[in-house]
This record gives sequence, C-alpha cells and structure tokens, in this order.
Amino acid sequence: DADVTQTPRNRITKTGKRIMLECSQTKGHDRMYWYRQDPGLGLRLIYYSFDVKDINKGEISDGYSVSRQAQAKFSLSLESAIPNQTALYFCATSGTGTDRKDNYGYTFGSGTRLTVV
Amino acid sequence: KNEVEQSPQNLTAQEGEFITINCSYSVGISALHWLQQHPGGGIVSLFMLSSGKKKHGRLIATINIQEKHSSLHITASHPRDSAVYICAVGGGTSYGKLTFGQGTILTVHP
Repeated sequence: DADVTQTPRNRITKTGKRIMLECSQTKGHDRMYWYRQDPGLGLRLIYYSFDVKDINKGEISDGYSVSRQAQAKFSLSLESAIPNQTALYFCATSGTGTDRKDNYGYTFGSGTRLTVV
Repeated sequence: KNEVEQSPQNLTAQEGEFITINCSYSVGISALHWLQQHPGGGIVSLFMLSSGKKKHGRLIATINIQEKHSSLHITASHPRDSAVYICAVGGGTSYGKLTFGQGTILTVHP
C-alpha cells in the first residue's frame, strides 16, 4: 500500500457542485499539506496542518476548506467548484515519522486530477 | 521574480550524457528538496539537502548555501530518467511548507 493515498485519482464534476478530496497516510507524519499544480505555475500551497488541532491557510486557500479528521487523514473540500479549480491536486506529508530511514522529508500522494466543467 | 528559479526549463539529452539542472533561490532556507515527477503525475522526493552534497545511485545533488544555489546531476543518463525535476525550498529539516520552482522537463533519447 502507498504511504500517502489520495482518493479519487480522477474526478470530473460540474460547476457549483461540492466535492471532497481525501488523503490518508501511514507514515506517522505530523504535518500534512494540500498543493495544487497548474501548467506553467508549478505547485502552490492551499492549506497545511501541523497537527490535528492546527489548520493554516496557504497562498491560494480561497474557495477551499480542509478538515484534519485524525493524524492520518486530511481532506480538502471545494464548496462550490468552478472551472478555474481544474488542476492536479497533491497531498503531502512531512515529519520524522515512524521509519528511521525516512531521510527524504516529504512524501507525496499520487495526485487527484480534478476537472470542473 | 520567483523565489525559486530553475534552469534550464527544458533539457534534451542523448542516453549516456551527463546532465546538470540548476536551482537558485532568493530566500533564507533550512532545506532544499529535489523532486521527480514522471508523466502520469506522481511526485517522488529524491533528495533533501541543507549543506554539502548527497549521492543516490546515478544522482548527485549539491548545495552552496552562501551562493543560494543547488545543482542536480545525473550521470550516465537513461531514457527512464525522462521526467520533470522540481526544486523546492523550505524551512526546518523535513518540516515546513515548501516553495517550488517551475520544474525542468528532461527528455533523454536512446
């Protein structure tokens, strides 16, 4: 099983619909992030959480909300999807984790490709 | 001006060539990351550096903190190295949110 699992992998939704992207991790990491990737703009931070009771806005949080249901789960919601939210979304984790060989810092999920029509 | 600049943006090489991708940053950092993204989207962390040099197989990453510059080298390149390579900077060892470069698209031809 992947260390960081994102669901769904692909989603097409209509303008105005509410949609939730889910992320779960088995790394034991404290810190979780949601990033968005757009062609030509690179990856940009939407929200991040340093522990279950800590939620912080990133540089592009408007139109999004998050929930940290447990240390291992961090979900991203689009309350009313719009076409310019079409993008590739990544969940990531960081921390010392439970693996002593975890020397690479960040672990990314496989991404969710979201299309809003 | 972006806080993290990568060069070149696109790079084409023949199999076996030595490849260098550069990253310059304008902010104070505690760690610099090199990431690899294959077609299909998944991102893999290759290196996390705070000083000096690291090597992993055919990949070598260096960082010069004073000059705010890092390089990723690939020796004996192979078509399977074709991917987007992304430089990212952040605070505090493996903690903290990252700021990303635009990425370098590498294509290695057989």
